[in-house]
Amino acid sequence: SQELEQSPQSLIVQEGKNLTINCTSSKTLYGLYWYKQKYGEGLIFLMMLQKGGEEKSHEKITAKLDEKKQQSSLHITASQPSHAGIYLCGADKRGFGNEKLTFGTGTRLTIIP
Amino acid sequence: NAGVTQTPKFRILKIGQSMTLQCAQDMNHNYMYWYRQDPGMGLKLIYYSVGAGITDKGEVPNGYNVSRSTTEDFPLRLELAAPSQTSVYFCASSSRGDSLAKNIQYFGAGTRLSVL
Repeated sequence: SQELEQSPQSLIVQEGKNLTINCTSSKTLYGLYWYKQKYGEGLIFLMMLQKGGEEKSHEKITAKLDEKKQQSSLHITASQPSHAGIYLCGADKRGFGNEKLTFGTGTRLTIIP
Repeated sequence: NAGVTQTPKFRILKIGQSMTLQCAQDMNHNYMYWYRQDPGMGLKLIYYSVGAGITDKGEVPNGYNVSRSTTEDFPLRLELAAPSQTSVYFCASSSRGDSLAKNIQYFGAGTRLSVL
C-alpha cells in the first residue's frame, strides 16, 4: 500500500535558524494536510494543499506541494521554541480507492537556545 | 469551543481488563475516527464511522470494538486488554464532502493507555 515518507525523522535546530521537513509519496496525492503535535496534546491542523505548485504560508511556516503532487515541504523561517513538536503530513488518497487520510511517521523538531 | 473531547487522558490497565475510551464532538461532524499512535510509527486507523449507526474497520481493528449511536459520540471499546495495546489513542472528526477543506480532521488531545 502507498505510504508517506517523512524526512528527517528528527531535527535539532538552533533557535533563529531555518529548517525544512519533507513528505514524499510514491503516487500522486489528491490532497496533503500538515499537522503539528505537542507532547500530551492532539494534532493541530496547520495547512492543506491541493494543487500542484501550490504554496501556503502562516506566520513563519510555509508549505509547498510540488508540481507532480508527490512531494510536499514544510519550511520554518527563524525558528522559535514554540515551533518545537512533531510535524505530521497526511494524504488524501482519494482516487486510489482510499478515502481515508494516511499519515506519515512524523518529524520530531527540537529547538535549542 | 470544545471541538473533540476525549476521556480519560491517562489509564493503566491490567492484562485482560476491559475499558471504554470516550470521544465526543460538538461540531456536528458526520465522520469520526479512532487512531492509535505508537512511537515512531505514525498514526494507524483503528475504526471509523461515516454517521450514526455506521462503522467500518480501519488498518488495525483487532482487539477493539466501536459503536456510533449518536452523531456526537464514538466510543472505543477494548475487551481483553493486551500489552500490545499500550499506545496513545486519538479520536478525530471531519464533516467530509467533495471539498478537501471539509475533509480536514480535527483531533482530540488523546488518551495514553498502558497495559501491564
